[in-house]
Amino acid sequence: ETGVTQTPRHLVMGMTNKKSLKCEQHLGHNAMYWYKQSAKKPLELMFVYNFKEQTENNSVPSRFSPECPNSSHLFLHLHTLQPEDSALYLCASSRLADEQFFGPGTRLTVL
Amino acid sequence: AQSVAQPEDQVNVAEGNPLTVKCTYSVSGNPYLFWYVQYPNRGLQFLLKYITGDNLVKGSYGFEAEFNKSQTSFHLKKPSALVSDSALYFCAVRHRSNDYKLSFGAGTTVTVRA
Repeated sequence: ETGVTQTPRHLVMGMTNKKSLKCEQHLGHNAMYWYKQSAKKPLELMFVYNFKEQTENNSVPSRFSPECPNSSHLFLHLHTLQPEDSALYLCASSRLADEQFFGPGTRLTVL
Repeated sequence: AQSVAQPEDQVNVAEGNPLTVKCTYSVSGNPYLFWYVQYPNRGLQFLLKYITGDNLVKGSYGFEAEFNKSQTSFHLKKPSALVSDSALYFCAVRHRSNDYKLSFGAGTTVTVRA
């Protein structure tokens, strides 16, 4: 891919589990993003971080909790998810408001 | 609020024929427009962008897009499609130079048959 890595690539979890998604960018960018991609729906922006500060929370339920310890790393902590949260979760990064570079995504299945 | 529309869910073309993927936008002020491509089980890859200047923008893999302000369109084109161009294509818009948010279209699935 383009310098943005995501782990794990696939995750299956029960509704009572707690798990975390990790994103790392090696591009020297200052902004990082979480998106949710569901079938037949446009990409949904979830969170934006700029220089480690959260600048956007797009009305995301509290069962999704982001963490950005530095400009290169972004986490999405998951707990008590619902089956409708099953989707591809994409991380992206950008230099300021330039074009965004995406990771390969984590395919999440909630049972 | 800014938005984009991709009026076609699916585009089918024969290899070697021209490929066009349509996008129209709605934004107040000058738009910043992007095209991305997504291959199966992969993230989105940036293809090209229009910020200002020449209305014809050239990007990766032989793709280009034409910005048309009067028609509020930004259609993606390739003169001669390849089977390997089969993928999901997204148009996106940002409406201010300092706005980190992109609004994406629903995507158009392109199938190029041999």
